[in-house]
Amino acid sequence: GAVVSQHPSWVICKSGTSVKIECRSLDFQATTMFWYRQFPKQSLMLMATSNEGSKATYEQGVEKDKFLINHASLTLSTLTVTSAHPEDSSFYICSASRLAGSTDTQYFGPGTRLTVL
Amino acid sequence: QKEVEQNSGPLSVPEGAIASLNCTYSDRGSQSFFWYRQYSGKSPELIMSIYSNGDKEDGRFTAQLNKASQYVSLLIRDSQPSDSATYLCAVNNGGTYKYIFGTGTRLKVLA
Repeated sequence: GAVVSQHPSWVICKSGTSVKIECRSLDFQATTMFWYRQFPKQSLMLMATSNEGSKATYEQGVEKDKFLINHASLTLSTLTVTSAHPEDSSFYICSASRLAGSTDTQYFGPGTRLTVL
Repeated sequence: QKEVEQNSGPLSVPEGAIASLNCTYSDRGSQSFFWYRQYSGKSPELIMSIYSNGDKEDGRFTAQLNKASQYVSLLIRDSQPSDSATYLCAVNNGGTYKYIFGTGTRLKVLA
């Protein structure tokens, strides 16, 4: 159990276009979902925390108008990179938090590699 | 600033040896502790979680937690070349669902 999917797994787009990435928890309902970004050979950077039906909470320095997050249900969150530029090229990873008893555990999706030309 | 510290490595161990990965954290209120493995170019995958002081074993992996010393470690017995990856330590203080991640330790198991 605890499978998280992401779609697409990779995307190439032109500068100025918008890209939507989907994150789904396939076999559990996620209390919370998270979006991370990771540049080559660097550590995970949390971008935002997302709860179903409410606005996402963005980390300091992350532009909420550029990285739009929608959490439509307990199993689906989407990240839209608006007006993408080459510096937005990165590995975007979502995670979903599963609550079991009093403990919650984050399970990661496989990631989406975005390349902006 | 709540921090999680890990030695970036690389930690090199011969095949069959025990690999010992260490992590310290600054928030005494931390309640949940996790080890994730991340292969190059892939996303992190959960190896183990630990919540109380002492050892927790799962196959070749043992997590050790010492809250008094604010220290959590991961031992990998009988290390295999396939264990070569970056190991991320993550900590949660129970106040939110957010984790604080260390920067990871790169492990190389030499055949």
